[in-house]
Amino acid sequence: GAGVSQSPRYKVAKRGQDVALRCDPISGHVSLFWYQQALGQGPEFLTYFQNEAQLDKSGLPSDRFFAERPEGSVSTLKIQRTQQEDSAVYLCASSSYTSNQPQHFGDGTRLSIL
Amino acid sequence: DAKTTQPNSMESNEEEPVHLPCNHSTISGTDYIHWYRQLPSQGPEYVIHGLTSNVNNRMASLAIAEDRKSSTLILHRATLRDAAVYYCILRDSRTSYGKLTFGQGTILTVHP
Repeated sequence: GAGVSQSPRYKVAKRGQDVALRCDPISGHVSLFWYQQALGQGPEFLTYFQNEAQLDKSGLPSDRFFAERPEGSVSTLKIQRTQQEDSAVYLCASSSYTSNQPQHFGDGTRLSIL
Repeated sequence: DAKTTQPNSMESNEEEPVHLPCNHSTISGTDYIHWYRQLPSQGPEYVIHGLTSNVNNRMASLAIAEDRKSSTLILHRATLRDAAVYYCILRDSRTSYGKLTFGQGTILTVHP
């Protein structure tokens, strides 16, 4: 489809496992964002890519979180040694370059850590 | 980022207009006012944005106070599909990429 696609839609993992979440942005979009949304809260910024360059990772909560976008298109958010507090919905958004273009969001990956 | 204040919740009846308020008393001259909404189990969806003048699009209207310290999102005829969390967000145009800082938003309930 033409929108932002995220997979998997749901992920259940045991505490301590590593997980990888995928985002396919809208074709041609330069900017890609990851957000984390805890239950009942608004999304919180994690990191930003301009093409393949990660220009802002100020929102990543710990060094267990790692994101990449090696070819400037698909992005992967990896969480190592997952903990229960990592349970949340992880949202990906893409947009054209300029700051006032709308961000287009995927429907997120709901991560549950047991 | 400048802060916005919204009511926690609002209710409306179907086919009636809805006015969703947002206060942003510390807004700076370079801040754009953006509105997004989030339907249940979906990602946020862009609604509208503006700087100083009122704006209209197919989804809604945005009325911005003359001093820019407040704004109102107007849904002209609410439908059941408009039930969502509505977020008012300030984006600094000086930032080249404009990350979004979401607050708690307003939960809109639409009654049939």
